[in-house]
Amino acid sequence: RKEVEQDPGPFNVPEGATVAFNCTYSNSASQSFFWYRQDCRKEPKLLMSVYSSGNEDGRFTAQLNRASQYISLLIRDSKLSDSATYLCVVTGGGADGLTFGKGTHLIIQP
Amino acid sequence: NAGVTQTPKFQVLKTGQSMTLQCAQDMNHEYMSWYRQDPGMGLRLIHYSVGAGITDQGEVPNGYNVSRSTTEDFPLRLLSAAPSQTSVYFCASSSGLRNTIYFGEGSWLTVV
Repeated sequence: RKEVEQDPGPFNVPEGATVAFNCTYSNSASQSFFWYRQDCRKEPKLLMSVYSSGNEDGRFTAQLNRASQYISLLIRDSKLSDSATYLCVVTGGGADGLTFGKGTHLIIQP
Repeated sequence: NAGVTQTPKFQVLKTGQSMTLQCAQDMNHEYMSWYRQDPGMGLRLIHYSVGAGITDQGEVPNGYNVSRSTTEDFPLRLLSAAPSQTSVYFCASSSGLRNTIYFGEGSWLTVV
C-alpha cells in the first residue's frame, strides 16, 4: 500500500456545487496533516492544516478520521477559482518524515 | 517579503552539461529541500537539509548534489545532465515538518 493515496481525478464539478475528496495514509503514527493547493504551473501553497477536531475556513472544511486513516477536504459553493490540484501532506514516512500525495485535480465548470 | 527564491526559472541544457539551481530563503528556516515534479509522479524529494552543514538524500538523489553552507542557501547541482532530468524543480523551506512549507516558484529544466 502506498504511504499516501489520492484519487487523481479529474473531478469535474459545476460551479456552486459541493465537492469532497479524501486522502488515505498508511502510517498510523502520523501526527500532522495538511492540504496544499497547486495551481497549474505554480508552486504548492498551504490551504489548511487538518486538526483532530476538524478545521473550517470559509467554504473549506478539512477533517481527520484516524480510525480509518484518511483525511478529507470539502469545498462548498465551489467557485471557478477553486480549480486546481489539491495535495494531501502527511508527516511520517518519506525520507525526511514528510509524505506528499500525488494530488487530486479539480475542475470547476461554469 | 521574498520568501523562497529560485533561479533560474527556465533553463535548457544539453546532455552532459552541468548546472546549479539556486535557492535562497529569508525566513531563517532550518529545514530546506528540493523536489522534482513530473506528470503523474507527484512531488519527489531529491535532497533535504535540516540545518547548515547537514544534508541528506531523499527519494531520488542520483545525479544531484547539494550543499548547505549557510542557513539561507541550498543550491542543487546537476552533475551531468540527462534527458531523464527534464522536470520542474521546486525548492522548499520550513521551520519544521509540522509547520507550513513554503515553496519557490519552480525551475523548468529541459535536457536535450
